[in-house]
Amino acid sequence: GQNIDQPTEMTATEGAIVQINCTYQTSGFNGLFWYQQHAGEAPTFLSYNVLDGLEEKGRFSSFLSRSKGYSYLLLKELQMKDSASYLCAPSGGYNKLIFGAGTRLAVHP
Amino acid sequence: GAVVSQHPSWVICKSGTSVKIECRSLDFQATTMFWYRQFPKQSLMLMATSNEGSKATYEQGVEKDKFLINHASLTLSTLTVTSAHPEDSSFYICSARDTSSGPVETQYFGPGTRLLVL
Repeated sequence: GQNIDQPTEMTATEGAIVQINCTYQTSGFNGLFWYQQHAGEAPTFLSYNVLDGLEEKGRFSSFLSRSKGYSYLLLKELQMKDSASYLCAPSGGYNKLIFGAGTRLAVHP
Repeated sequence: GAVVSQHPSWVICKSGTSVKIECRSLDFQATTMFWYRQFPKQSLMLMATSNEGSKATYEQGVEKDKFLINHASLTLSTLTVTSAHPEDSSFYICSARDTSSGPVETQYFGPGTRLLVL
């Protein structure tokens, strides 16, 4: 079967670092995407991992372990505008993205 | 970066009418586009894969005669919700895959269309 598991909600303080974990099971695997979705808006692309290891992109980094079916998104120097849902989306068969419910992150002053 | 537009952004219609939503890739060609639906506080659910020049592929449980998809060009896919009912009210989002971006075929999302059926 196919399954995505992320924490439902997280809170953090402005300027801090937060790590959002994701475990997944898919019938095929062509890489894993992370998207950010603000309330009422469509998702925007953050990062992509296809090989094991860490990908760094400014304040955002994403890590993948294919053998463990595990990924995390690391957000540094948190800003208020980072309050959003973060979607872990493995790409399965036929390059389809599989979305879980996402993690709602609230950043407080 | 790759930009995807959707039109309209908001639709309010009466029960029984049909609604057409357009999805355009503005600065790249997309042989494949995807249509999703999202209910409040839920995950994006893939409805169908739209393939340029061929029939769409629908996910299990999605009625192809109710949700008509046409992908007539490399930059345009349309979703028509036929005989819409209140339970079809949702946030409809399209995405387009940029195959020219190298080995990473990232899906870029349109801004979404909010449909309210009265």
